[in-house]
Parts: sequence; C-alpha cells; structure tokens
Amino acid sequence: AQSVAQPEDQVNVAEGNPLTVKCTYSVSGNPYLFWYVQYPNRGLQFLLKYITGDNLVKGSYGFEAEFNKSQTSFHLKKPSALVSDSALYFCAVRDPRMDSSYKLIFGSGTRLLVRP
Amino acid sequence: DTAVSQTPKYLVTQMGNDKSIKCEQNLGHDTMYWYKQDSKKFLKIMFSYNNKELIINETVPNRFSPKSPDKAHLNLHINSLELGDSAVYFCASSPLGGTPGYEQYFGPGTRLTVT
Repeated sequence: AQSVAQPEDQVNVAEGNPLTVKCTYSVSGNPYLFWYVQYPNRGLQFLLKYITGDNLVKGSYGFEAEFNKSQTSFHLKKPSALVSDSALYFCAVRDPRMDSSYKLIFGSGTRLLVRP
Repeated sequence: DTAVSQTPKYLVTQMGNDKSIKCEQNLGHDTMYWYKQDSKKFLKIMFSYNNKELIINETVPNRFSPKSPDKAHLNLHINSLELGDSAVYFCASSPLGGTPGYEQYFGPGTRLTVT
C-alpha cells in the first residue's frame, strides 16, 4: 500500500540557518511527489512537486526538494530559513497508476518553527 | 480572486443534526475533492469527483453524501452528525484529474464542531 512518512513532528531552526524537513515514501512504480504548506487557519498551499527529470526541484518561497529514488526520500530544504516560514508542512505522494491516480496520500505533517 | 472557496468557514452544530458545506472553484478544473483533517492535523481524502462523476469514495460512512451539480461545485452533506465528525474539511480541485502530475488547489477549510 502507498504511504508517506514524515518522521519529525517538529523541526526547530534559527533564522538564517538552513532547514530540512524529511519525507520518505512507499509506492509501487515511479511516484509523483508533492510538498504543501499550511499556515495557521489556512488551507494548504502548493510548494513544489517532482514528476520526472532533475532530482532537485525548486519551488515557491525559495524552497527546494531532492528526490532520492534509492532512499525513497523527498526531503524539503531551504538554504536560509525565515521566521515567516514557520508553518505546518505536508509531504504527499500520488500513485501514477490510473486506478488510484486521483488520490493524494499525505504524510502526518511536520511543524517547522523558525526562531528569530 | 478566490480560486477555491468554501462556505461556511465555521460550523457549530449539535449531534444528530444535518448540515451541508459548499465548495466552488473558478479555475475551470475537472476534478474536485473533499479531505478531512482531524485534530492531529492528519489529512485524508474522502471523495473525488471528475466532471460530476464520483471517482473515489474512501470508506466514508454513508451519512456523508457529496453532490456535484456541475463541475465547478462539490458540496458535502452530512446527516446525523456525530461528535467524531468534528474536524476541518477541505475542498480541493485539480485540472485533468486523470493526469497525476497536476497539483491540487485547496480551499480555506471549514471547521466543523459537533457538540
């Protein structure tokens, strides 16, 4: 069965330092991977996605993510964190097989706290 | 312009009542979804419609009934509300639902509290 794991409930980082939010996945075949961010009392906003091609994907607000097939990971990164990056981050996977291609399976979320 | 909108934003009601949540998207997308986010922030898909046709029904109690009058709207009706239905419900949409590479666009959510 397809699944996504975000092993850290919370990540704390100082402003200006690099950040990493971890995500690993389990899916048959080649996965389509997504990162979303949720600010307090808001809906989810799309950050970036990996479909195919270059393993390093760049997205909104200076975020990037690296797809690693051998480690089945898709970690979210940013070179220099901002206090305004503090939010809840979700990794999601979509199985490209047609019979389940409409489903996004989300990880449990990781709360990012950037301290000034 | 709001891409995916939901009404109401907050809904407080008593057990046993019937309530509806409305969702509209102005993006011209073909596929719409309902997700439930529980108190631990875990997100799970409930339903998916593609061009008014039900595609996904994820073992949701039949007290929950989605209705799609046209491809821009997907409403969620809940009968006989229970305490465990308290959650935030998100509507989402995406273009060409059968093409997995497209991201989904989410509404702001409806916080349902059942007392």
